[in-house]
Amino acid sequence: QQQVRQSSQSLTVWEGETAILNCSYENSAFDYFPWYQQFPGEGPALLIAIRSVSDKKEDGRFTIFFNKREKNLSLHIKDSQPGDSATYFCAASEGTNAYKVIFGKGTHLHVLP
Amino acid sequence: GALVYQYPRRTICKSGTSMRMECQAVGFQATSVAWYRQSPQKTFELIALSTVNSAIKYEQNFTQEKFPISHPNLSFSSMTVLNAYLEDRGLYLCGAMTGENTLYFGAGTRLSVL
Repeated sequence: QQQVRQSSQSLTVWEGETAILNCSYENSAFDYFPWYQQFPGEGPALLIAIRSVSDKKEDGRFTIFFNKREKNLSLHIKDSQPGDSATYFCAASEGTNAYKVIFGKGTHLHVLP
Repeated sequence: GALVYQYPRRTICKSGTSMRMECQAVGFQATSVAWYRQSPQKTFELIALSTVNSAIKYEQNFTQEKFPISHPNLSFSSMTVLNAYLEDRGLYLCGAMTGENTLYFGAGTRLSVL
């Protein structure tokens, strides 16, 4: 059973729109949720992360909305740019096993000019 | 900011030979280093966690005999893939943990096996 699930394998938006990437998880013990951005040929880069004590985290154009009760979260990318086209991985980890990051399968975002 | 350098970026080795990859944390002290492999299908597998002055913890399906790791200090780690075969292909990622339990990845070493 997949512990971190990303609802869309692929998402296409127009430049300037808000892209919304959804994620859900199974393990209630997860308390840290990073999102990684990966361009072809590169490693995943930490984009933004939230801890389970918060319900929202904002960093520039990127915002995470977190719902602990429903065990889901979403990444909103405001004013999407073609340069945001990449694969986005939702991930989760738990407390003292923070190195054991469980990744979703990724959502490939296409931003059309 | 936290930077993790990995080298080489790409390597090709003949089936049955070995290759070594290195990882360096710059700008912070990596309390632990986690080695991952990303398959051609983009899924991630944790290989092992290395913490300075502690025993290295290997995940199921990965062994020290196949993936020996060296972690001599808080900024450097290396891993070798011994006797590489086709199933070992992928992007090997070094993830360095900060004191706040945040994992930063390097750009990866892409291993191709002929």
